[in-house]
Amino acid sequence: SQKIEQNSEALNIQEGKTATLTCNYTNYSPAYLQWYRQDPGRGPVFLLLIRENEKEKRKERLKVTFDTTLKQSLFHITASQPADSATYLCALRMDSSYKLIFGSGTRLLVRP
Amino acid sequence: DTEVTQTPKHLVMGMTNKKSLKCEQHMGHRAMYWYKQKAKKPPELMFVYSYEKLSINESVPSRFSPECPNSSLLNLHLHALQPEDSALYLCASSPQGVYQPQHFGDGTRLSIL
Repeated sequence: SQKIEQNSEALNIQEGKTATLTCNYTNYSPAYLQWYRQDPGRGPVFLLLIRENEKEKRKERLKVTFDTTLKQSLFHITASQPADSATYLCALRMDSSYKLIFGSGTRLLVRP
Repeated sequence: DTEVTQTPKHLVMGMTNKKSLKCEQHMGHRAMYWYKQKAKKPPELMFVYSYEKLSINESVPSRFSPECPNSSLLNLHLHALQPEDSALYLCASSPQGVYQPQHFGDGTRLSIL
């Protein structure tokens, strides 16, 4: 069956450290992968997109990697801050349709 | 503030009521979406409109009826809902094109009594 899996438990790290979140998928061949941030009571906010032929993308303190052989994406936040605390969702899109499929999300807590 | 505006923010309704959720965007996006999100779960796609035409219906029960009156507005009409329909309903929009992110509103928190 098709699955998108993210760390089910919250990731708890110290301020200033690098947070690494994982998104694994099975039985999909995504055209690209997106990462969103969601705060409690708010809608998801788009962060980064990486295409199937790209290995890495960066934006300020954020970095995303995409390994289509391992069927995995890693999302890194360097020099993490308490304001980075939120739930992070990966989302796959397979083809030319508009359908996005979201992973279950990982809650990140950054301690001051 | 998000660029996708949803109203109302909260809605409580009985199982026999009829109500509507509204979504508006003025970014010129021609694709609009409805998602349902239960607590501690990811958003689940319900409907997609492209150029005001319904292009995806994810086998949603007929008690949910979407409508796209124009390129800026998206409605979700609700009738005879069940308690399990209580959730956060999110609207999103995106430009046309394959590699485009979706812009979400902050949702309507719906409670069915």
